[in-house]
Amino acid sequence: GQQLNQSPQSMFIQEGEDVSMNCTSSSIFNTWLWYKQDPGEGPVLLIALYKAGELTSNGRLTAQFGITRKDSFLNISASIPSDVGIYFCAGRPPRSNYKLTFGKGTLLTVNP
Amino acid sequence: DSGVTQTPKHLITATGQRVTLRCSPRSGDLSVYWYQQSLDQGLQFLIQYYNGEERAKGNILERFSAQQFPDLHSELNLSSLELGDSALYFCASSVEGGGPYNEQFFGPGTRLTVL
Repeated sequence: GQQLNQSPQSMFIQEGEDVSMNCTSSSIFNTWLWYKQDPGEGPVLLIALYKAGELTSNGRLTAQFGITRKDSFLNISASIPSDVGIYFCAGRPPRSNYKLTFGKGTLLTVNP
Repeated sequence: DSGVTQTPKHLITATGQRVTLRCSPRSGDLSVYWYQQSLDQGLQFLIQYYNGEERAKGNILERFSAQQFPDLHSELNLSSLELGDSALYFCASSVEGGGPYNEQFFGPGTRLTVL
């Protein structure tokens, strides 16, 4: 099946720093999604991207749909302690309305 | 709070047993999805129901089954449990059958521990 390579696996940063993470695939996707999961909770949708090259922001979060349709990036600016959690990318392949393939996540730790 | 509810929050059982996990989708959502999350496999899609009918199957074992009832709540049945079935099980829902602009919203999950 399709695989998503998400990196880095984990990040340890200081409060106030900017963060970048990405997902890459050998296959193209028509949709890229970014979710955040807090400990003991379910993933929460942060940003959805539907067009190659699309750049979308949600507060301090900005995500981009790569022009090759095989990658996506998530940036968090001016990190705060509540940004701690696991960030997942997910991709939807062409001709599939339901199927999402998830990356294995990036664990973000923010030191106050 | 996504509006998706799951019960129970935690479940501890023994190998060989059978359990049922329950999910109520967001109000108005017709589609329900089940996922398994383990440390080594990440989030794995199991099965989808849309308006009471099975829509798609993923990596679901034959020992597992699901259904969606007329009131749109769904149950995931896990039988002949093995140690390796210990995981977080998430339910998600969407308005339609999925697709662009009909994204999935996840419940808080059920943590299953098989001893």
